[in-house]
Amino acid sequence: GAVVSQHPSWVICKSGTSVKIECRSLDFQATTMFWYRQFPKQSLMLMATSNEGSKATYEQGVEKDKFLINHASLTLSTLTVTSAHPEDSSFYICSARDPTWDNQPQHFGDGTRLSIL
Amino acid sequence: GENVEQHPSTLSVQEGDSAVIKCTYSDSASNYFPWYKQELGKGPQLIIDIRSNVGEKKDQRIAVTLNKTAKHFSLHITETQPEDSAVYFCAASSRYTGFQKLVFGTGTRLLVSP
Repeated sequence: GAVVSQHPSWVICKSGTSVKIECRSLDFQATTMFWYRQFPKQSLMLMATSNEGSKATYEQGVEKDKFLINHASLTLSTLTVTSAHPEDSSFYICSARDPTWDNQPQHFGDGTRLSIL
Repeated sequence: GENVEQHPSTLSVQEGDSAVIKCTYSDSASNYFPWYKQELGKGPQLIIDIRSNVGEKKDQRIAVTLNKTAKHFSLHITETQPEDSAVYFCAASSRYTGFQKLVFGTGTRLLVSP
């Protein structure tokens, strides 16, 4: 079945560092991927929609310059948290859907736990 | 925009009992409703989904029902097992977003005791 791979699974870094998270669709080409943020014991909050070959669409309240998204190929989207601070610590999850068929569901990666010291 | 409410927030059952989780949605244009199971430290995993042209769908111990008139849908787990313990999220999506953009409920933490 469709698989979405996310890397790294865990990152610990110092305040001020920029961190890049990768999301790959392993057995299908994803023209669109999604990035979510999840705080402990809370639901998933959509941050942005990543569009292959064009700019990402950000949800209201999400800083574009803080969370840089690049979708340079049909199987890879990256999220870069720039100049990260402790308040950016969270669980970041990506998802993708095989657009080939209308009824394909959205599949999620296993998330990246980001801890900023 | 769409708003999805989910109840209960926590649910404790004994092994072998049934568990029911309910969600309501606000946008009548929504017509795709997936359910995800999230284990600790992992991403959500799709367990079952239903589309608005169907009232019920079943997959072994898991079933989902949909009432479009009332705008609510439910997840039913029968013969629960300890490995069913996890957080379950409902979600809704609309054909206007190509079934892509999901709006999630607040989650239900299910605990199945042996």
